[in-house]
Amino acid sequence: DARVTQTPRHKVTEMGQEVTMRCQPILGHNTVFWYRQTMMQGLELLAYFRNRAPLDDSGMPKDRFSAEMPDATLATLKIQPSEPRDSAVYFCASGLVPDGDIATNEKLFFGSGTQLSVL
Amino acid sequence: KNQVEQSPQSLIILEGKNCTLQCNYTVSPFSNLRWYKQDTGRGPVSLTIMTFSENTKSNGRYTATLDADTKQSSLHITASQLSDSASYICVVTPRGTNAGKSTFGDGTTLTVKP
Repeated sequence: DARVTQTPRHKVTEMGQEVTMRCQPILGHNTVFWYRQTMMQGLELLAYFRNRAPLDDSGMPKDRFSAEMPDATLATLKIQPSEPRDSAVYFCASGLVPDGDIATNEKLFFGSGTQLSVL
Repeated sequence: KNQVEQSPQSLIILEGKNCTLQCNYTVSPFSNLRWYKQDTGRGPVSLTIMTFSENTKSNGRYTATLDADTKQSSLHITASQLSDSASYICVVTPRGTNAGKSTFGDGTTLTVKP
């Protein structure tokens, strides 16, 4: 079955270190989302891409977070420098969303997430 | 501000019983509403998607209903199984935008006991 693959599954790092999370969306999907999930905040949208172009990263702390899609098979989310408050599970999701920026009933597929702990 | 509120926050039921989870939202204008199931340690999995013109959608033992007038949705689980133990998340997307503008509820944690 096609699925969204995220690596690593777990990451423990020290404050100040750089963290890179990777996502391989489902082949053929044109939209990729990055979400963060914590007990306190639930699921929050960080950024998303359509056809590899960034559409919205307003949910992301831009001073330390960056998201890119170097090619159609890879999306990355980088934190530099990391802080303890960044500890969370980071999910990538992909979907096939029609052009035109109109909401439809497209189905999104989530990866298993990267559990990040910043000490 | 767009909000999605789910109730109850948690629920414990016995295997084989039915249950209903609630979702109230203030997102307007409304485009679609999704229910996701999230197992512990896994990503959310889509159960149902309803546009504003639909008022019910089924997926096996899961049936979602939508009342766009009262801005309420429910997810009914029939003949619960142990594997239904999970968090159920309601997500609402405004009309005229894409899924990136969706608002997520905090989820209902369901525990099914033998």
